[in-house]
Amino acid sequence: EVHLLESGGGLVQPGGSLRLSCAASGFTFSNYAMSWVRQAPGKGLEWVSVIGGSGTTYYADSLKGRFTISRDNSKNTLYLQMNSLRAEDTAVYYCAKANPTAGGFDSWGQGTLVTVSS
Amino acid sequence: EIVLTQSPATLSLSPGERATLSCRASQSVSSNLAWYQQKPGQAPRLLIYDASNRATGIPARFSGSGSGADFTLTISSLEPEDFAVYYCQQRSNWPPEYTFGQGTKLEIK
Repeated sequence: EVHLLESGGGLVQPGGSLRLSCAASGFTFSNYAMSWVRQAPGKGLEWVSVIGGSGTTYYADSLKGRFTISRDNSKNTLYLQMNSLRAEDTAVYYCAKANPTAGGFDSWGQGTLVTVSS
Repeated sequence: EIVLTQSPATLSLSPGERATLSCRASQSVSSNLAWYQQKPGQAPRLLIYDASNRATGIPARFSGSGSGADFTLTISSLEPEDFAVYYCQQRSNWPPEYTFGQGTKLEIK
């Protein structure tokens, strides 16, 4: 059974940094693209970034330059380094496993809340 | 950037009724469209991928249709557990970018 567990969320001041982690189990992690999706309180879903199994990365245009996605296939872990955080980055951040043959995300973690506030 | 517009924003129906949710893309996405269900406090769950394929474990009352720019999610006979928010999502082929619709809230009438 696929299991994704995010961690690293919390309260951070505007301009600060935070690194999120997502521990994966139940599948061959290195074979799958992984993504981060966020959801501001009471709002819809927003795609953040995706990383291929070998490390190729893509970002939502609005977040390029501030967020960096990475993975450690030896640790079955996905990361999101978030810098220069703003109030509008406040959200639940989900990690999600990409369906390899289609465009959807077939497994999701439970999410970790990031709150940017002074 | 491809924009996905879902309608209606809110749909009020009773258990046993048929639900029809729409998702329209600003340009053709071929069949690269997925549907998710999200209940309060929970992560989204994949229902449909490639416009019309049910994900593993999804009941047969959920079906997806459409291609190009117009897509529909149909729930043939609503069960109490189906009342939730539904999102459509597309992936561009190159570069691989993803977009979600704004969601449709399916509520009990």
